Amino acid sequence: EIVMTQSPATLSVSPGERATLSCRASQSVNSDLAWYQQRPGQAPRLLIYAVSTRATGTPARFSGSGSGTEFTLTISSLQSEDVAVYYCQQYNDRPSYTFGQGTKLEIK
Amino acid sequence: EGQLVQSGSEVKKPGESLKISCEGSGYSFPNYWIVWVRQMPGKGLEWMGMIYPATSDIRYSPSFQGQVIISADKSINTAYLQWSSLKASDSGMYYCAREYCSGGRCYSPWGQGTLVTVSS
Repeated sequence: EIVMTQSPATLSVSPGERATLSCRASQSVNSDLAWYQQRPGQAPRLLIYAVSTRATGTPARFSGSGSGTEFTLTISSLQSEDVAVYYCQQYNDRPSYTFGQGTKLEIK
Repeated sequence: EGQLVQSGSEVKKPGESLKISCEGSGYSFPNYWIVWVRQMPGKGLEWMGMIYPATSDIRYSPSFQGQVIISADKSINTAYLQWSSLKASDSGMYYCAREYCSGGRCYSPWGQGTLVTVSS
């Protein structure tokens, strides 16, 4: 099973500043990587898939990059509504498409 | 994109059985994978397994194989997750979600979640 490790566990960023979240895979997942946002008390929501493709409705301030084992989600200018836990997910290793443990993003 | 609506919260005792549901609408339900994801209290997301309703092709995570049963009834656009004998460790929020990336690999939209509490 591929293990996904996210860092940091918690990130505090000032409004309008850039937030950078990391995700590392225990082995290569090629470009089979998605990011989800889970706001407090809500279900997860798909933000990005195939490393860098924004899902329908995802604001342009969210971008993804990386390949192989190292991936990054960047929020270019943090808004208050971005407070959430963010999860990466690999979908390269069938049949178990594992999630990372999450990064909690807070407003400083 | 459609939507998924899950059945309501459940409180059960250890050893009891349970079947929760996920009804899809606004899209061709049989032709999209449905995944089940567990979230234990205060914890992250765990991929449990998925089903393709048109053929009832089912894939389980090794961690959940034999622990739960995933099924679907395409005639009523509904997927199910069931347990034959619940344990306290089965307590958590369970989400269903629809395939967004082909092959059932990434997911949108998600259901609102079903909270399962197992306690004596």
